[in-house]
Amino acid sequence: DTAVSQTPKYLVTQMGNDKSIKCEQNLGHDTMYWYKQDSKKFLKIMFSYNNKELIINETVPNRFSPKSPDKAHLNLHINSLELGDSAVYFCASSHGTGFWFFGPGTRLTVL
Amino acid sequence: AQKVTQAQTEISVVEKEDVTLDCVYETRDTTYYLFWYKQPPSGELVFLIRRNSFDEQNEISGRYSWNFQKSTSSFNFTITASQVVDSAVYFCALSENTNAGKSTFGDGTTLTVKP
Repeated sequence: DTAVSQTPKYLVTQMGNDKSIKCEQNLGHDTMYWYKQDSKKFLKIMFSYNNKELIINETVPNRFSPKSPDKAHLNLHINSLELGDSAVYFCASSHGTGFWFFGPGTRLTVL
Repeated sequence: AQKVTQAQTEISVVEKEDVTLDCVYETRDTTYYLFWYKQPPSGELVFLIRRNSFDEQNEISGRYSWNFQKSTSSFNFTITASQVVDSAVYFCALSENTNAGKSTFGDGTTLTVKP
C-alpha cells in the first residue's frame, strides 16, 4: 500500500496551460505539505495544511492554489504555467511535528 | 529566521571509507526539530532521522551515526564503511515546533561512493 501517492508522476505541458497535481495519503496524518525541488535539487516548502486549514503559504505566485478537500488529500492547481515552474513537486504528510513522509514526486516540464 | 547550511556541495569517496556530512543550522526557537533525508538517484526522499532540540544524545543506526551539538548548532551525519548504495543527495532540515510549521532544507550534499 502506498502511503503518500501523487498523480501524475510526469506532466509535460505547454506554457500558459492550467494543470493539477493530486496527492493522497493513507497514513491518517493530520498535516500535509507541498514542496518544490528545482533543477539544482534545492527543496523548498510551498504550502502546509493542518486538518484542512492552510498554515503556511510561502512566497509562491498566486498562480499556485492548493486545495484540501479532506485530511487525506491535498491537491495543487497551477494556472498559466510558466517555464520557471518546471520542477519536481513533492507532496508530504506528517503527524503533528513528526517526520515528513514524502510522495514519489511529480516531474513537471513546461515547454 | 531559519537557515540550514550544508557547506559540502559534493563529496566523493572510495568504498569502505568513512565520510561525514556537515550540517549547521540557525534558529531563534528554543524548541525545534532536525532531520536528515536521503535522495537516491531514483528520486524519492527517504527519512533517516529526526531529533528534537532537547535531545543531544548521539545516535547510531548500523553504519549511520549522527552527532548533534547545540553549542555549535551542528547536526553532522557520518557513514562508516561507505558503500556504493550510499551514493545519493543528503539533505539536512530544520522545522519549527508547531503542527505544519515552517521547515527549511539545506541545499543538500551529493555523495558519490566509488567502488
